[in-house]
Amino acid sequence: IQLTQSPSFLSASVGDRVTITCRASQGIRNSLAWYQGKPGKAPKLLIYGASSLPSGVPSRFSGSGSGTDFTLTISSLQPEDFATYYCQQLDTYPLTFGGGTKVELK
Amino acid sequence: QVQLVQSGAGMRKPGASVKVSCKASGYTFGAYYMHWVRQAPGQGLEWMGEINPTSGSTSYAQNFQGRITVTRDTSTSIVYMELSSLRFEDTAIYYCARVVGPGAPGLGFWGQGTLVTVSS
Repeated sequence: IQLTQSPSFLSASVGDRVTITCRASQGIRNSLAWYQGKPGKAPKLLIYGASSLPSGVPSRFSGSGSGTDFTLTISSLQPEDFATYYCQQLDTYPLTFGGGTKVELK
Repeated sequence: QVQLVQSGAGMRKPGASVKVSCKASGYTFGAYYMHWVRQAPGQGLEWMGEINPTSGSTSYAQNFQGRITVTRDTSTSIVYMELSSLRFEDTAIYYCARVVGPGAPGLGFWGQGTLVTVSS
């Protein structure tokens, strides 16, 4: 299953509302996760099961979608949120990641 | 608390093999599959494979079929990932990871990563 993220790059300012989309090449129910990646650190899980927030993840992060179309929203971008974001499907083997969305400071 | 502690960085020549370990603690080892994910310099995340620690059954990504072997030692709660016939493009940070919880699709616990450098 291929995951297509858009956009690949995004320039935004602190306080902006940011939306990243992930489209699956076939239906994956709600078996989608979102991660935040920063250089030199292990990826951090932000959303699992398409819309569930793990303990400790700020509530400004939210996820939605089911089937083939999914969205990660950051309601008010904070300085620590400038990073690369990846979606991953865990519905069908082999598990796959999207290509990533780099969020940069405008 | 859940911890995944990986072995240290290594350098190998092209054609050689590397074996990375991941020691799990803080939970019942057999309760969760262990996944392997890698990230090459400047590239995205790539899922490599997984193992069922209870049965030892594995599933691998097509890109690595024939070169990857994931095993486990239940007596020490360690999972191993061996990659053979290394190429320069296998230079990457390799991570082990576990889902966040039962029926929760998402890798919520990660090792610290192991840098493998393939260089002649």
